[in-house]
Amino acid sequence: EDQVTQSPEALRLQEGESSSLNCSYTVSGLRGLFWYRQDPGKGPEFLFTLYSAGEEKEKERLKATLTKKESFLHITAPKPEDSATYLCAVRGLSGGSNYKLTFGKGTLLTVNP
Amino acid sequence: DTGVSQDPRHKITKRGQNVTFRCDPISEHNRLYWYRQTLGQGPEFLTYFQNEAQLEKSRLLSDRFSAERPKGSFSTLEIQRTEQGDSAMYLCASSRITLAGLETQYFGPGTRLLVL
Repeated sequence: EDQVTQSPEALRLQEGESSSLNCSYTVSGLRGLFWYRQDPGKGPEFLFTLYSAGEEKEKERLKATLTKKESFLHITAPKPEDSATYLCAVRGLSGGSNYKLTFGKGTLLTVNP
Repeated sequence: DTGVSQDPRHKITKRGQNVTFRCDPISEHNRLYWYRQTLGQGPEFLTYFQNEAQLEKSRLLSDRFSAERPKGSFSTLEIQRTEQGDSAMYLCASSRITLAGLETQYFGPGTRLLVL
């Protein structure tokens, strides 16, 4: 069964203080690792998809990287508007299901001005 | 591209009542998913449709839950005889397979259910 563990559970940063969020995963036949952002009371908003080890993607202050066992979401010089819960999910071939996403519990990021 | 929409956004019901939620996917997306999310947890998969066919159901989906997608367009999720443990955010997502065989699920705003 696919498993996703995110750390830390919560992270407080000062505006401009760069940091990284971790996503460790166990999956049979990775068919994609996904990062989403979720604001309180709203649905997850798609950020990135990574498919193979060594792949990197960037969007504004965010950069996602992937190894065979984990993914990192690097946040450079964050602003208060980056405050949200960041969710990591994988799609694998576990149990013959290659459709569903398996999510971690998320990292709650708070950026103070 | 108007995004995935869900209705209602909030629902309060009494234990034992039936509730129905609706999801309208992004147009031309043939795949539709339902997930459930409780406080402090990530979304958990419930069920999946490709066009009008329901291809997979999670063990989380008890007999009180039923989902449909008539004509392969909008979908409904019904919960019969609601229980307090059904209180959660119900999320709908849609997707399509690209020519390269890639797929990204786009989520709606969710329906928050509170069972009293």
